[in-house]
Amino acid sequence: NAGVMQNPRHLVRRRGQEARLRCSPMKGHSHVYWYRQLPEEGLKFMVYLQKENIIDESGMPKERFSAEFPKEGPSILRIQQVVRGDSAAYFCASSGQGSYEQYFGPGTRLTVT
Amino acid sequence: DAKTTQPPSMDCAEGRAANLPCNHSTISGNEYVYWYRQIHSQGPQYIIHGLKNNETNEMASLIITEDRKSSTLILPHATLRDTAVYYCIVRLYQTGANNLFFGTGTRLTVIP
Repeated sequence: NAGVMQNPRHLVRRRGQEARLRCSPMKGHSHVYWYRQLPEEGLKFMVYLQKENIIDESGMPKERFSAEFPKEGPSILRIQQVVRGDSAAYFCASSGQGSYEQYFGPGTRLTVT
Repeated sequence: DAKTTQPPSMDCAEGRAANLPCNHSTISGNEYVYWYRQIHSQGPQYIIHGLKNNETNEMASLIITEDRKSSTLILPHATLRDTAVYYCIVRLYQTGANNLFFGTGTRLTVIP
Protein backbone atom coordinates (compact mmCIF):
# COMPACT_ATOMS: atom_id res chain seq x y z
CA ASN A 1 0.00 0.00 0.00
CA ALA A 2 1.62 3.23 -1.14
CA GLY A 3 -0.70 5.52 0.81
CA VAL A 4 0.27 8.34 3.14
CA MET A 5 1.72 6.96 6.34
CA GLN A 6 1.64 8.66 9.69
CA ASN A 7 3.12 7.57 12.97
CA PRO A 8 2.50 7.22 15.72
CA ARG A 9 -1.26 6.82 15.39
CA HIS A 10 -1.75 7.75 19.01
CA LEU A 11 0.58 9.82 21.15
CA VAL A 12 0.22 10.75 24.80
CA ARG A 13 2.37 13.51 26.25
CA ARG A 14 2.41 15.31 29.55
CA ARG A 15 2.27 19.07 29.65
CA GLY A 16 5.66 20.53 28.88
CA GLN A 17 6.97 17.57 26.89
CA GLU A 18 7.75 17.54 23.18
CA ALA A 19 5.65 15.80 20.56
CA ARG A 20 7.05 14.62 17.22
CA LEU A 21 4.67 13.54 14.51
CA ARG A 22 5.90 11.85 11.36
CA CYS A 23 4.47 11.72 7.87
CA SER A 24 5.67 9.73 4.89
CA PRO A 25 3.99 10.94 1.70
CA MET A 26 2.70 8.72 -1.05
CA LYS A 27 5.37 7.35 -3.33
CA GLY A 28 6.33 9.95 -5.88
CA HIS A 29 4.75 12.85 -3.98
CA SER A 30 6.95 15.77 -3.03
CA HIS A 31 4.36 18.09 -1.46
CA VAL A 32 3.27 17.67 2.14
CA TYR A 33 0.54 19.47 4.07
CA TRP A 34 -0.26 19.36 7.77
CA TYR A 35 -3.74 19.96 9.20
CA ARG A 36 -5.08 19.98 12.72
CA GLN A 37 -8.57 18.92 13.76
CA LEU A 38 -9.89 19.81 17.17
CA PRO A 39 -12.77 17.72 18.54
CA GLU A 40 -16.05 18.32 16.71
CA GLU A 41 -14.42 20.80 14.31
CA GLY A 42 -13.26 20.76 10.71
CA LEU A 43 -9.65 20.45 9.66
CA LYS A 44 -7.52 23.59 9.81
CA PHE A 45 -4.52 24.06 7.56
CA MET A 46 -1.19 24.49 9.32
CA VAL A 47 1.73 24.28 6.90
CA TYR A 48 2.70 23.29 3.37
CA LEU A 49 6.16 21.97 2.60
CA GLN A 50 8.16 20.70 -0.31
CA LYS A 51 11.45 18.90 0.05
CA GLU A 52 13.74 21.05 2.23
CA ASN A 53 11.43 24.07 1.90
CA ILE A 54 8.56 25.55 3.84
CA ILE A 55 6.24 27.06 1.25
CA ASP A 56 3.37 28.30 3.39
CA GLU A 57 3.21 28.28 7.17
CA SER A 58 0.39 30.76 7.53
CA GLY A 59 -1.64 28.34 9.67
CA MET A 60 1.10 27.49 12.12
CA PRO A 61 0.95 28.89 15.63
CA LYS A 62 3.74 31.42 16.11
CA GLU A 63 5.38 29.62 18.99
CA ARG A 64 6.25 26.02 19.90
CA PHE A 65 5.29 24.55 16.51
CA SER A 66 7.71 23.75 13.71
CA ALA A 67 7.74 21.54 10.64
CA GLU A 68 10.33 20.17 8.30
CA PHE A 69 10.50 17.95 5.25
CA PRO A 70 14.12 16.90 4.78
CA LYS A 71 15.67 15.66 1.58
CA GLU A 72 15.59 12.15 2.98
CA GLY A 73 13.03 10.74 5.37
CA PRO A 74 9.58 11.73 6.51
CA SER A 75 8.13 15.12 7.23
CA ILE A 76 8.16 15.98 10.92
CA LEU A 77 5.73 18.19 12.81
CA ARG A 78 7.24 19.15 16.16
CA ILE A 79 5.38 20.64 19.07
CA GLN A 80 7.49 21.82 21.95
CA GLN A 81 6.26 22.26 25.52
CA VAL A 82 2.83 20.84 24.75
CA VAL A 83 -0.25 22.18 26.49
CA ARG A 84 -3.69 20.63 26.87
CA GLY A 85 -5.02 22.77 24.04
CA ASP A 86 -2.69 20.96 21.64
CA SER A 87 -4.76 17.79 22.07
CA ALA A 88 -6.16 17.12 18.62
CA ALA A 89 -5.92 14.92 15.55
CA TYR A 90 -3.10 15.93 13.24
CA PHE A 91 -3.45 14.92 9.62
CA CYS A 92 -0.84 14.91 6.93
CA ALA A 93 -1.64 15.01 3.21
CA SER A 94 0.53 14.75 0.14
CA SER A 95 0.23 15.62 -3.51
CA GLY A 96 2.33 15.07 -6.56
CA GLN A 97 4.03 17.52 -8.88
CA GLY A 98 1.43 19.02 -11.19
CA SER A 99 -1.44 17.33 -9.36
CA TYR A 100 -3.33 19.26 -6.76
CA GLU A 101 -5.50 16.59 -5.22
CA GLN A 102 -4.36 16.00 -1.68
CA TYR A 103 -4.36 12.48 -0.25
CA PHE A 104 -4.57 12.18 3.49
CA GLY A 105 -3.00 9.86 6.01
CA PRO A 106 -4.87 8.25 8.92
CA GLY A 107 -3.81 10.94 11.36
CA THR A 108 -2.02 11.09 14.70
CA ARG A 109 -4.17 11.61 17.75
CA LEU A 110 -2.27 13.63 20.32
CA THR A 111 -3.48 13.65 23.90
CA VAL A 112 -1.85 15.98 26.38
CA THR A 113 -2.38 15.07 30.00
CA ASP B 1 -10.91 30.80 -1.51
CA ALA B 2 -14.66 31.23 -1.90
CA LYS B 3 -16.85 30.27 1.01
CA THR B 4 -19.27 27.39 0.76
CA THR B 5 -22.56 26.67 2.49
CA GLN B 6 -23.77 23.15 3.17
CA PRO B 7 -26.65 21.75 5.22
CA PRO B 8 -25.34 20.45 8.54
CA SER B 9 -26.91 17.02 8.22
CA MET B 10 -28.84 14.71 5.90
CA ASP B 11 -30.27 11.22 6.00
CA CYS B 12 -30.48 8.80 3.11
CA ALA B 13 -31.97 5.32 2.83
CA GLU B 14 -29.55 2.57 1.95
CA GLY B 15 -29.58 1.83 -1.77
CA ARG B 16 -31.04 5.20 -2.70
CA ALA B 17 -29.21 8.10 -4.26
CA ALA B 18 -27.74 10.63 -1.86
CA ASN B 19 -27.78 14.20 -3.19
CA LEU B 20 -25.60 16.59 -1.22
CA PRO B 21 -25.97 20.28 -2.10
CA CYS B 22 -23.41 23.03 -1.81
CA ASN B 23 -23.74 26.76 -2.38
CA HIS B 24 -20.70 28.74 -3.49
CA SER B 25 -22.18 31.97 -4.80
CA THR B 26 -18.90 33.91 -4.64
CA ILE B 27 -16.88 31.43 -6.66
CA SER B 28 -14.53 33.00 -9.18
CA GLY B 29 -13.90 31.85 -12.71
CA ASN B 30 -10.67 29.99 -11.99
CA GLU B 31 -11.80 28.20 -8.86
CA TYR B 32 -12.68 24.53 -8.83
CA VAL B 33 -15.21 22.70 -6.68
CA TYR B 34 -13.75 19.82 -4.68
CA TRP B 35 -15.48 17.23 -2.54
CA TYR B 36 -13.89 15.28 0.28
CA ARG B 37 -15.39 13.09 2.95
CA GLN B 38 -14.27 12.04 6.39
CA ILE B 39 -15.47 8.75 7.77
CA HIS B 40 -15.51 8.68 11.55
CA SER B 41 -12.27 10.48 12.38
CA GLN B 42 -10.28 8.86 9.59
CA GLY B 43 -8.24 11.02 7.24
CA PRO B 44 -10.33 12.88 4.66
CA GLN B 45 -10.82 11.06 1.40
CA TYR B 46 -10.79 12.81 -1.96
CA ILE B 47 -13.98 12.14 -3.94
CA ILE B 48 -14.17 14.31 -7.02
CA HIS B 49 -13.59 17.80 -8.39
CA GLY B 50 -14.78 19.89 -11.31
CA LEU B 51 -14.69 23.35 -12.87
CA LYS B 52 -17.90 23.82 -14.85
CA ASN B 53 -18.74 20.56 -16.56
CA ASN B 54 -20.42 17.70 -14.78
CA GLU B 55 -18.00 15.03 -13.67
CA THR B 56 -18.36 11.36 -12.83
CA ASN B 57 -16.00 8.79 -11.42
CA GLU B 58 -16.29 5.43 -9.71
CA MET B 59 -17.34 7.02 -6.44
CA ALA B 60 -19.74 9.80 -7.34
CA SER B 61 -21.08 12.36 -9.78
CA LEU B 62 -20.67 16.11 -9.49
CA ILE B 63 -23.30 18.38 -10.99
CA ILE B 64 -22.35 22.07 -11.25
CA THR B 65 -24.99 24.63 -12.19
CA GLU B 66 -24.47 26.70 -15.29
CA ASP B 67 -23.78 29.86 -13.26
CA ARG B 68 -21.43 27.81 -11.05
CA LYS B 69 -22.96 29.21 -7.89
CA SER B 70 -23.97 25.83 -6.58
CA SER B 71 -23.26 22.16 -7.04
CA THR B 72 -24.54 18.75 -6.00
CA LEU B 73 -22.58 15.65 -5.13
CA ILE B 74 -24.47 12.49 -6.00
CA LEU B 75 -23.75 9.09 -4.53
CA PRO B 76 -25.88 6.92 -6.82
CA HIS B 77 -26.49 3.97 -4.49
CA ALA B 78 -25.66 4.88 -0.92
CA THR B 79 -24.36 2.18 1.40
CA LEU B 80 -23.87 2.18 5.15
CA ARG B 81 -20.15 2.75 4.54
CA ASP B 82 -20.97 6.10 2.94
CA THR B 83 -21.97 7.49 6.34
CA ALA B 84 -19.51 10.34 6.79
CA VAL B 85 -19.05 14.09 6.89
CA TYR B 86 -18.88 15.47 3.35
CA TYR B 87 -16.96 18.65 2.67
CA CYS B 88 -17.48 20.90 -0.33
CA ILE B 89 -14.39 23.03 -0.96
CA VAL B 90 -13.73 25.72 -3.53
CA ARG B 91 -10.13 26.39 -4.41
CA LEU B 92 -7.77 27.45 -7.11
CA TYR B 93 -6.26 24.66 -9.16
CA GLN B 94 -2.66 25.73 -9.29
CA THR B 95 0.69 25.49 -7.61
CA GLY B 96 0.71 27.63 -4.51
CA ALA B 97 -2.99 27.18 -3.87
CA ASN B 98 -1.89 25.23 -0.94
CA ASN B 99 -4.44 24.64 1.64
CA LEU B 100 -7.91 23.17 1.65
CA PHE B 101 -10.45 25.09 3.69
CA PHE B 102 -12.66 22.59 5.47
CA GLY B 103 -15.88 24.13 6.73
CA THR B 104 -18.33 22.22 8.86
CA GLY B 105 -19.54 19.98 6.03
CA THR B 106 -22.68 17.85 5.82
CA ARG B 107 -23.00 14.85 8.07
CA LEU B 108 -24.63 12.18 5.91
CA THR B 109 -26.23 9.25 7.70
CA VAL B 110 -27.21 6.27 5.57
CA ILE B 111 -30.08 4.42 7.18
CA PRO B 112 -30.60 0.67 6.73
